[in-house]
Amino acid sequence: KNQVEQSPQSLIILEGKNCTLQCNYTVSPFSNLRWYKQDTGRGPVSLTIMTFSENTKSNGRYTATLDADTKQSSLHITASQLSDSASYICVAPDDKIIFGKGTRLHILP
Amino acid sequence: DGGITQSPKYLFRKEGQNVTLSCEQNLNHDAMYWYRQDPGQGLRLIYYSQIVNDFQKGDIAEGYSVSREKKESFPLTVTSAQKNPTAFYLCASKGAPADEQFFGPGTRLTVL
Repeated sequence: KNQVEQSPQSLIILEGKNCTLQCNYTVSPFSNLRWYKQDTGRGPVSLTIMTFSENTKSNGRYTATLDADTKQSSLHITASQLSDSASYICVAPDDKIIFGKGTRLHILP
Repeated sequence: DGGITQSPKYLFRKEGQNVTLSCEQNLNHDAMYWYRQDPGQGLRLIYYSQIVNDFQKGDIAEGYSVSREKKESFPLTVTSAQKNPTAFYLCASKGAPADEQFFGPGTRLTVL
């Protein structure tokens, strides 16, 4: 069964610190993997997409990595800001679209 | 400007009433999706439509119905058969298969 597992479930860090969120997937065949950011009470917004041939992709303070051999992806947030407080969702498509349950990130001042 | 809209943002209904949630997109996307999100849970697929006049059940379709009479619109009806309808409902659309999904702002439904 195709699945996307994320960890940790929730994370609390101080403003200015870095953090890394993890995503393990078993979707096959693999085409791409996306990271979305979802603010509370809003729809998710795409942060980055990783294809099979890409190892690293950055979007400002967000850097996603992909290891297609181990089927793992990570999202690294540098110099966190209060506005980074949100849920971060890992998504991999098959014939539908498989969503992870997300990591709830809290940034404390 | 282009986008995907959902209305209303908040909706309250009495138990036993059917209610229809609106989803409209002007992105010229073929595919549209409805998801349900509960606190602490991931998005769960209710129904999806890959083309006008066609739709398929997702993982939790029981108690819901949809129609896709127009490319721009994909309304979701929450029927009285849905045992626990209170949730946050998200609509999304997608163009080409490899493209990202664009999400609407969501409708929070509360059944009293």
